[in-house]
Amino acid sequence: EADIYQTPRYLVIGTGKKITLECSQTMGHDKMYWYQQDPGMELHLIHYSYGVNSTEKGDLSSESTVSRIRTEHFPLTLESARPSHTSQYLCASSEGTGASYRSSYEQYFGPGTRLTVT
Amino acid sequence: GDSVTQMEGPVTLSEEAFLTINCTYTATGYPSLFWYVQYPGEGLQLLLKATKADDKGSNKGFEATYRKETTSFHLEKGSVQVSDSAVYFCALSGGGKLIFGQGTELSVKP
Repeated sequence: EADIYQTPRYLVIGTGKKITLECSQTMGHDKMYWYQQDPGMELHLIHYSYGVNSTEKGDLSSESTVSRIRTEHFPLTLESARPSHTSQYLCASSEGTGASYRSSYEQYFGPGTRLTVT
Repeated sequence: GDSVTQMEGPVTLSEEAFLTINCTYTATGYPSLFWYVQYPGEGLQLLLKATKADDKGSNKGFEATYRKETTSFHLEKGSVQVSDSAVYFCALSGGGKLIFGQGTELSVKP
């Protein structure tokens, strides 16, 4: 069973506030990802990391930032929240280069954070 | 670039009906293929996977076969239950990441 955690699960916050969404995994996975899921269900990759001190932007441009100081922790920060940031945010992780070529792509997801900016 | 196309939803079935959710893909190389399921209010869970052509992934009564000749990975279940109501995502591995289809919502009525 995958062990990946996200907090908070739900967050309602006013415009202009700074927020950090937490994501932690206990599986020792090198790779971690953040997805934004819109109400139409489609998933958009916004950030990913292949290890400590490695972060990359994903396919969808996002005003959020991420950091990877520890293997198990991959927080996402919005410096100034806006209503357009209202969405579901999903964190995921997968094994790194030590795994077999095929299995390294299997991702394990956290329960998500539903963010509402008023 | 690589892409995944799923049949549009929502799909509404009666309990014990047969389920097919179509998934086709475009990819260079030999990707692995996945089906993920998302229950209401939760994250995605891996349902099944196949790593090479003609492999069949199966789990919880669901099956999908990796068909390279038709570039497809259709999800099937012989008899759906109300508890199968969820959103189903087809995905392929590409460029070191997963590429997801747009999701298909399944609703099963008693």
